[in-house]
Amino acid sequence: QKEVEQDPGPLSVPEGAIVSLNCTYSNSAFQYFMWYRQYSRKGPELLMYTYSSGNKEDGRFTAQVDKSSKYISLFIRDSQPSDSATYLCAMRKSGAGSYQLTFGKGTKLSVIP
Amino acid sequence: NAGVTQTPKFRVLKTGQSMTLLCAQDMNHEYMYWYRQDPGMGLRLIHYSVGEGTTAKGEVPDGYNVSRLKKQNFLLGLESAAPSQTSVYFCASSYSPGTSGDPYEQYFGPGTRLTVT
Repeated sequence: QKEVEQDPGPLSVPEGAIVSLNCTYSNSAFQYFMWYRQYSRKGPELLMYTYSSGNKEDGRFTAQVDKSSKYISLFIRDSQPSDSATYLCAMRKSGAGSYQLTFGKGTKLSVIP
Repeated sequence: NAGVTQTPKFRVLKTGQSMTLLCAQDMNHEYMYWYRQDPGMGLRLIHYSVGEGTTAKGEVPDGYNVSRLKKQNFLLGLESAAPSQTSVYFCASSYSPGTSGDPYEQYFGPGTRLTVT
């Protein structure tokens, strides 16, 4: 079992829809959880990060972490065509060596006008 | 402020040839990383460096070597390229924990698309 599992999609939604992207993980040592967005033929860029369980909101984006279920989510409200990209979840442990990230495979999202 | 830059953007190699990928960052970051991204595999860490003159192996280091002679540069070398090394290579950098700035965010370059025939 890989440490981080993410459905690669692709996921296609109409403009204005609410999008839910998810990852599961197996290593309980993960403490920091991130979502990166990667446009086609570009490098990933950090979208949001959270520490431990709970919700974090930033504009149309909400990141949610449930450590008891080892499950993280990213919600996109009022999705726009400009949100079309691959979304990668990433996780890291605390302590020595905590700067190393473990990535999911990414979910490709298309928002149709 | 260019951020993280990578040279070259594209390269085609024949099996057995060698090459060096260059990564440069102008954010004074201590930590630098090399990843490869393959379809269905996600981003995998090849090597990383926690400071000038230091390097360490990541998840998939075989067939690659790295050097960090200057803080701002991180070089990835392929001594004898193989078709299995066809991939998109990303360099990233970050602050170190305890310094100013967010230590959690890794800043990525635009990538190098390498094809080995």
